[in-house]
Amino acid sequence: AQSVAQPEDQVNVAEGNPLTVKCTYSVSGNPYLFWYVQYPNRGLQFLLKYITGDNLVKGSYGFEAEFNKSQTSFHLKKPSALVSDSALYFCAVRAKTGANNLFFGTGTRLTVIP
Amino acid sequence: EAGVAQSPRYKIIEKRQSVAFWCNPISGHATLYWYQQILGQGPKLLIQFQNNGVVDDSQLPKDRFSAERLKGVDSTLKIQPAKLEDSAVYLCASSTGTGLLEQYFGPGTRLTVT
Repeated sequence: AQSVAQPEDQVNVAEGNPLTVKCTYSVSGNPYLFWYVQYPNRGLQFLLKYITGDNLVKGSYGFEAEFNKSQTSFHLKKPSALVSDSALYFCAVRAKTGANNLFFGTGTRLTVIP
Repeated sequence: EAGVAQSPRYKIIEKRQSVAFWCNPISGHATLYWYQQILGQGPKLLIQFQNNGVVDDSQLPKDRFSAERLKGVDSTLKIQPAKLEDSAVYLCASSTGTGLLEQYFGPGTRLTVT
């Protein structure tokens, strides 16, 4: 069975400070991992994905994520937070074999304080 | 490039009534997904189409939910009869194929069942 855990419902960070949104996963075999962001009254937008290769993945809007196989984690990071980064962030996982669909976490609400 | 279109944006119905949602994916996208997002949870896949064929409907409550994509473009999702627990945002997404491709989401339809 596949699952994703986002242990923090809410993350607050001051503008200009680095931010981290945590994600851990459970999947049989090697995973495909994704981050999506959801702004109010808008659909989810793709940020980045890890398929294979370099453990540090760079994505849209200056975000990056680090794949850590031993800790089964895929934390989202940004060196300097902007107020406009305030949104709901979802981590998702898909197994490399078997089911083709994405399993999403419950989401983390990021608030960047001016 | 136009995004994924969904209508209506909001719908309020009474339990036991029926409702239908419409989705128009990005032009040329062969794969279409319907997700259910209950408040406080991540999106959950209901059904996935590849062109006009069903790839995965294992989590679709088939006793009350149905979906079709007759011409391989637009899709409709229907609930009949609705229950209180169907209150959620219904998201449509599309991608160019079934591989490890990012999905593009529409703004969603917020359904309230009273």
